[in-house]
Amino acid sequence: DAKTTQPTSMDCAEGRAANLPCNHSTISGNEYVYWYRQIHSQGPQYIIHGLKNNETNEMASLIITEDRKSSTLILPHATLRDTAVYYCIALNYGGSQGNLIFGKGTKLSVKP
Amino acid sequence: EPEVTQTPSHQVTQMGQEVILRCVPISNHLYFYWYRQILGQKVEFLVSFYNNEISEKSEIFDDQFSVERPDGSNFTLKIRSTKLEDSAMYFCASSGGGGAQETQYFGPGTRLLVL
Repeated sequence: DAKTTQPTSMDCAEGRAANLPCNHSTISGNEYVYWYRQIHSQGPQYIIHGLKNNETNEMASLIITEDRKSSTLILPHATLRDTAVYYCIALNYGGSQGNLIFGKGTKLSVKP
Repeated sequence: EPEVTQTPSHQVTQMGQEVILRCVPISNHLYFYWYRQILGQKVEFLVSFYNNEISEKSEIFDDQFSVERPDGSNFTLKIRSTKLEDSAMYFCASSGGGGAQETQYFGPGTRLLVL
């Protein structure tokens, strides 16, 4: 699975959009980009995933560049409860279920 | 909304003792996983399980570890003889039918402390 690179930490003002970047320049054509977050020591929480097209759900939007070498997770109106470590993971199921390889992620701090 | 549950939430044990961590995956899921996170470190994959056998395991998952699906609902991780370095959060996850776009959903974890 492709390696991903994320900033170590970011701050965001409450109510503003949080834009979390991820680089995955070696991603292959059949690898999905997944985003999870971990609030304190809780279990990782699934946010969103995509392959080529931009995706949106009730939690966030995922913007994937045309060349698929990077992506951005957007939390449109960040709240204090969005303070967490956010993980960008490239995953290729390749016929099996695939295991998630977590990096260090981005620690997002939402400030009042 | 269906969710993965884990018991116990906390477990304290003496070095050398056996522990069994329990998980109830989401009911219609077919793939099951264990991950662990040592305090302050990354979440690490341990093992995946499908069709009553191990699909994949990491180098962490040595002979001290075993997994089992004893009935139609539970998925367990057994550590045969615990070591101090086994102290960690252990997360169970499950996913649906496999293949592309099968999202893994995680439980809240069991915090294991080996003394």
